[in-house]
Amino acid sequence: GQQVMQIPQYQHVQEGEDFTTYCNSSTTLSNIQWYKQRPGGHPVFLIQLVKSGEVKKQKRLTFQFGEAKKNSSLHITATQTTDVGTYFCALFNDYKLSFGAGTTVTVRA
Amino acid sequence: EADIYQTPRYLVIGTGKKITLECSQTMGHDKMYWYQQDPGMELHLIHYSYGVNSTEKGDLSSESTVSRIRTEHFPLTLESARPSHTSQYLCASEGIGMAYGYTFGSGTRLTVV
Repeated sequence: GQQVMQIPQYQHVQEGEDFTTYCNSSTTLSNIQWYKQRPGGHPVFLIQLVKSGEVKKQKRLTFQFGEAKKNSSLHITATQTTDVGTYFCALFNDYKLSFGAGTTVTVRA
Repeated sequence: EADIYQTPRYLVIGTGKKITLECSQTMGHDKMYWYQQDPGMELHLIHYSYGVNSTEKGDLSSESTVSRIRTEHFPLTLESARPSHTSQYLCASEGIGMAYGYTFGSGTRLTVV
């Protein structure tokens, strides 16, 4: 089935700085979802992207789906300590979600 | 507010014991899933169900079994636990349409000693 690669695996960010995490696929995706998992917690759905070139914003989070629908990015501006956690992208394989390995974000105060 | 509930939250058991991890949802969702996740790692699908009396194995081979006798209930059973089963088990359900994503329970952290 289709798979995605997330980079980087770890992101250490100074509080207040911006960063971007990427989700890449070798094949065209029908859609992609993003989830956040806080340390010790469970994944929480953030957003779904469907259209080529789509951009969606949630406060300081900006999600983008590539024009070719083979990649997606999550950009966080002015990182806060509440942004700590692992961000997963996920795609549908045979109508079931397959998750990437995630980007684990730590924040230096 | 979580509408999908997993019990127990933590479980430590001895090798060879039979255990059942409970998962219940109050949203009336037909589709339910079990994922296994080691600390800091990705989620692996081990079982799924598209409705009552429907169960299928996921991408990751697992020695566990599941049942779906009622829409709201999707328990996972290990007949004989081993230390290799130590992991976190996450239950999820999916509503109609993909736009709302999966709703996950809080998980069961299983340790087999």
